[in-house]
Amino acid sequence: GAVVSQHPSWVICKSGTSVKIECRSLDFQATTMFWYRQFPKQSLMLMATSNEGSKATYEQGVEKDKFLINHASLTLSTLTVTSAHPEDSSFYICSASHPVGGYEQYFGPGTRLTVT
Amino acid sequence: DAKTTQPPSMDCAEGRAANLPCNHSTISGNEYVYWYRQIHSQGPQYIIHGLKNNETNEMASLIITEDRKSSTLILPHATLRDTAVYYCIVRVSQAGTALIFGKGTTLSVSS
Repeated sequence: GAVVSQHPSWVICKSGTSVKIECRSLDFQATTMFWYRQFPKQSLMLMATSNEGSKATYEQGVEKDKFLINHASLTLSTLTVTSAHPEDSSFYICSASHPVGGYEQYFGPGTRLTVT
Repeated sequence: DAKTTQPPSMDCAEGRAANLPCNHSTISGNEYVYWYRQIHSQGPQYIIHGLKNNETNEMASLIITEDRKSSTLILPHATLRDTAVYYCIVRVSQAGTALIFGKGTTLSVSS
């Protein structure tokens, strides 16, 4: 149990275009999901907290107009990178907070974004 | 700022126990100790968590000192597939509280 999926697993897009990444909790409902970004040889950096039915909370330094987050249901959150640039190339990882027990976070496999 | 301190790297021979230390001297009374690991180019994987008692599951054991200022994750029989970055994180157990990752410990298991 406690499986989180992401789609796509990798994507290449041209500079200036937008890319949408989906995060789904497959076998549990998650009122809270989180989005992280990871650059090569670095640790995960929290970008935003996504709550079902409400606006996301962004970490300091993360542009909310550039990284649009929508959490429309208890099993789906989406991250849209708008007007992507090469510096947005990174590994994007989502996680979902399991509502039973210790609210452990379960992570998706990640999405590799390359902007050319 | 990271609330935990871990050695940057450790080596372990296959089949031996891997003991990964973590210091969290400023831990609060309502904060749990969580351990996750990340194998290269994958999402982090939950391992174990605890408040003050020692915990064991099918993956590992977690030993927390009585003063809760440090802990040790034990992989009893390390395999090559245990090579990963291991993160020790302290966090309150609430639905909306995110995990904040430090630099972790890179564990290399060799044959």
